[in-house]
This record gives sequence, C-alpha cells and structure tokens, in this order.
Amino acid sequence: DTAVSQTPKYLVTQMGNDKSIKCEQNLGHDTMYWYKQDSKKFLKIMFSYNNKELIINETVPNRFSPKSPDKAHLNLHINSLELGDSAVYFCASSQGFTLAGEKYGIGETQYFGPGTRLLVL
Amino acid sequence: AQKITQTQPGMFVQEKEAVTLDCTYDTSDPSYGLFWYKQPSSGEMIFLIYQGSYDQQNATEGRYSLNFQKARKSANLVISASQLGDSAMYFCAMRGSNYKLTFGKGTLLTVNP
Repeated sequence: DTAVSQTPKYLVTQMGNDKSIKCEQNLGHDTMYWYKQDSKKFLKIMFSYNNKELIINETVPNRFSPKSPDKAHLNLHINSLELGDSAVYFCASSQGFTLAGEKYGIGETQYFGPGTRLLVL
Repeated sequence: AQKITQTQPGMFVQEKEAVTLDCTYDTSDPSYGLFWYKQPSSGEMIFLIYQGSYDQQNATEGRYSLNFQKARKSANLVISASQLGDSAMYFCAMRGSNYKLTFGKGTLLTVNP
C-alpha cells in the first residue's frame, strides 16, 4: 500500500534512447510533481500537474515530456537520452491547490516516491 | 526569488546527543512554508516537519523541532537524543507564492555510536 510509487526503480540505457518513468499515488491528492536530483544531491522541480493540468513547467529541455492520464498518475517521458540526464528522478504528490489562492497550498506537504535512478551510458 | 542556504555540508554528533542543522532562507513573499526532509542512504525522501511563516509557535514532531526565527530568516532543525538511524542527508526547503518547493543543498549528518 505504498503511497507514491515509481517504476522502474533503476533504469540503465544507452544515449539516444527514449524511456519512460511511471508514477502513481494512492493518497487521493490532486497535485503531482517531478523532481530531478543530480549527482551532488541537489533537488530541483521540473514539472507539476494539478488535476491533470500542467501548472509548473521549469526550464527543462523539451526532450522531457510529462503526461498525466488522470490525477493519480504522472508519467515522465524522455526522448533522445543524453549523458547529462543521468540522475535520480523523484515523483511527489500533495493535496492540491488552486492558483487563485494566495496562501492555500503554501503549507502543503509533498510526499515523495522512492525515486528512479537513471543511468545513461 | 526564493533561496535556501544550508551552510553545513556535513555534521557529526554522538548518539543520544542533540544536534542543530542550520537553514537560512531568503524570500520577499509575505507568507511561506518551511519544510525539512530526510534522505537516508536508501534514497527515499521522508518528510519530517513543517513551519508556516505565520505560525506563532515553533513546530515540533517527536524528536524533531524547528527553531524558527523569522526576523533572522532562519529555520534550524533540532534533533534531540540522536539515534544511529538519524544518519542521513537532511534538506531544508521553502515554498512561497510561486508554489514551487525550493531545496537547499543539504547537510549530511553522521551519528557516531
């Protein structure tokens, strides 16, 4: 009964390949996120979806495309993988918020999945 | 723009002692949230504690407490009675009006027996 799950846990692939990482949450949350943790352990937001709508889209190469088939799932597809894409990718979820709210959402806790360790050779 | 600074790349503490992990932040938002996460060597990110900028009292969760000093823009994590299982990377994070969670670079805590 894992709250936020990701598959696969490990992904080793060659440069130029296309790969996907799947994320599912069973917390009933409306908002989901993708983060990248680099080799120095620095965590940075990539995308966020609220109820299937893209709400945060950081400066990420367009080789990365998130897809949210429903609010419990947020997948990350990466085209033409490069060496620099090697990292740990975390999915997270939180209760949800509306952009119109000022304070609503600021205190939301984000719950993270176990991470996907991607190694591009 | 939001910024989180964790000045201690590594910290050591003896088992059963208390330890303080520093975190300072910079933001122009009138309201914001501050979070601490733990990342053990197994890699998962575990939520520890939350402090809202308008909260009057410092947050506490079991052995974790957050020493929030708003005027100094600091949100230090205090772990009391350290245990070997507390050895991990600890991240301070902030969320402001842009709703993005911004992380610091982390502090690696080692608890010695």
